[in-house]
Amino acid sequence: GESVGLHLPTLSVQEGDNSIINCAYSNSASDYFIWYKQESGKGPQFIIDIRSNMDKRQGQRVTVLLNKTVKHLSLQIAATQPGDSAVYFCAATGGGNKLTFGTGTQLKVEL
Amino acid sequence: GAVVSQHPSWVICKSGTSVKIECRSLDFQATTMFWYRQFPKQSLMLMATSNEGSKATYEQGVEKDKFLINHASLTLSTLTVTSAHPEDSSFYICSASPVDYGYTFGSGTRLTVV
Repeated sequence: GESVGLHLPTLSVQEGDNSIINCAYSNSASDYFIWYKQESGKGPQFIIDIRSNMDKRQGQRVTVLLNKTVKHLSLQIAATQPGDSAVYFCAATGGGNKLTFGTGTQLKVEL
Repeated sequence: GAVVSQHPSWVICKSGTSVKIECRSLDFQATTMFWYRQFPKQSLMLMATSNEGSKATYEQGVEKDKFLINHASLTLSTLTVTSAHPEDSSFYICSASPVDYGYTFGSGTRLTVV
């Protein structure tokens, strides 16, 4: 089955710095990946997604990189702001329509 | 667009009673919806896949008689926690997948069983 994990449980960054959150997945058949942001007591909020036929996708202040060779996914947040403080999850579909979530990284933005 | 509404946002119930949680797709039709459970400081764990007009598909280890799922229309799926116990206290989240929009999540329901 699909297994998705994150390298670090907590990431602290200074306001204005760039943040990089990493994620590893195990199923080579995974073809769709999503990053979510979750604030306390709320449901996950979509940030950005990427399909397996791409290796990079950019949004507003966010970039997702996909390395299928080593089954690694990263989320880069430029100019991190206090409002970015939350838990970030990567998720992947493993050949079906079910999403498997990683363990989450708590991003803390220090002023 | 692609909004999923979940109700209630929080509920407190007594042990032994049942609680129903609703998940609605507001501006799209969803033949499939998903129910997740999340414990504090943990990730989302898929409980079941709700299929409109047919039986739900439960993940391994999830008791189908305890977590009843009904998906009677293309815009509504319900999760009923039957004979709730304190260990069922958790954050329950639903999601649906509109075409070309990935997966959209509801705002979650905080269930506390006392």
